[in-house]
Formats: sequence, structure tokens, C-alpha cells
Amino acid sequence: RKEVEQDPGPFNVPEGATVAFNCTYSNSASQSFFWYRQDCRKEPKLLMSVYSSGNEDGRFTAQLNRASQYISLLIRDSKLSDSATYLCVAEFSGNTPLVFGKGTRLSVIA
Amino acid sequence: DAGITQSPRHKVTETGTPVTLRCHQTENHRYMYWYRQDPGHGLRLIHYSYGVKDTDKGEVSDGYSVSRSKTEDFLLTLESATSSQTSVYFCAISRTSGGAGADEQFFGPGTRLTVL
Repeated sequence: RKEVEQDPGPFNVPEGATVAFNCTYSNSASQSFFWYRQDCRKEPKLLMSVYSSGNEDGRFTAQLNRASQYISLLIRDSKLSDSATYLCVAEFSGNTPLVFGKGTRLSVIA
Repeated sequence: DAGITQSPRHKVTETGTPVTLRCHQTENHRYMYWYRQDPGHGLRLIHYSYGVKDTDKGEVSDGYSVSRSKTEDFLLTLESATSSQTSVYFCAISRTSGGAGADEQFFGPGTRLTVL
């Protein structure tokens, strides 16, 4: 069964806080992972890909833990503009589409 | 931004009527997808295409059909719309599908469909 599980939240954090989301995936053979961001009433957009060695893009850090089959997203120094739903995405085999989690909602409060 | 458009952007229709949604891309990507998104369910794959006239079902394909006669266009048809098909429909495209080199999917702006 192809599943990507996320805590739906909402996570309500003050500006400047650090927040972390975890996501678990059901297939140990999965090789590609992504984090997407979706603003209210908008389409999902790629935030970052997740590499085996982990990767960082400004205030955002993504990490992969293959042994425990989870990926994480860390947001440092949260901004009001970070308020959105964050979708975890995994691929499950060579010829099938990516599988999206249901998303974790983040609200950054002034 | 990826060149992907959807039409119409909003539609209200009545139960039992046929509805066709159009997805158009200018990127020449091989793969195209139709999703629906509902509160509490996230994005659910309806159908996808891996080339002209090559399509396959997703997890919620009942009541929907698709066609792809050209690389750039992917049509989603509700033969006889029902109220349970009220949703936001997103089209997406990608260069590749799964595997180690899987590419990201780019999404269109969405179509809000209401079936009364």
C-alpha cells in the first residue's frame, strides 16, 4: 500500500520560532522525495527536493531518514509568509506517479 | 512558472450533466495528471497520462474518463456529474514519473467545480 502520512496540524507558532514537520512513507524502496507548499485556494508548488544527504535552502532544511522511513522539514526563524499547508511527497516505484500526503497546516502568528 | 493552464477556472453545473475540464501545457512534458482535492482527503489522483493516447487510472477514477489526443492537452470528463464530484480539480505535468530521478510535478491553477 502506498501511503504518505503527515500530522495535519495546525501548528500555530509565533514569528521567529523554529518548527519541524515529520512525514512517514510506507515503501522502503522509495527513492525520490519532495516537500511542496500550498497556499490557501492556490495550487501546490515545489518547496524543495529531499536528498539522501539532506539539503538546506535558506531557512528551510529537509532531511531523509531511510532506516525509519521518514522525512522532515525544519523551518527556522518563521515568517508570517510561511503560513501555508506543507505537503510531503514520495515516489513508490519506477513507473507510477508521486504520492502526496494530506498536508500539515502551519500558521505563523505575529 | 511552468506553462500550464486549466479551463474553465470555475464551473457550476447540475447533477446529471456532462462536464469536461481542459488542461493545456506548453512545456512538452510527457506526463500529465488529474487530481481532485477535498478537505480531509488531500490530493487524490484521478487519472494520469504517460503519452499521447496512453492513460491509466488513479485511486479515484470511478465516474471520470480522460483523453489525450495531443501532447499539450489532457481532458477530464465527468459523463454524468454528481454532487460528490464537487471539488477542486488540479492538473499537473512532469518530465518523468517515479524512480530515483523522478522530477517534480508542476500544477495548474485549479478548477473549482460545483455540482448542484
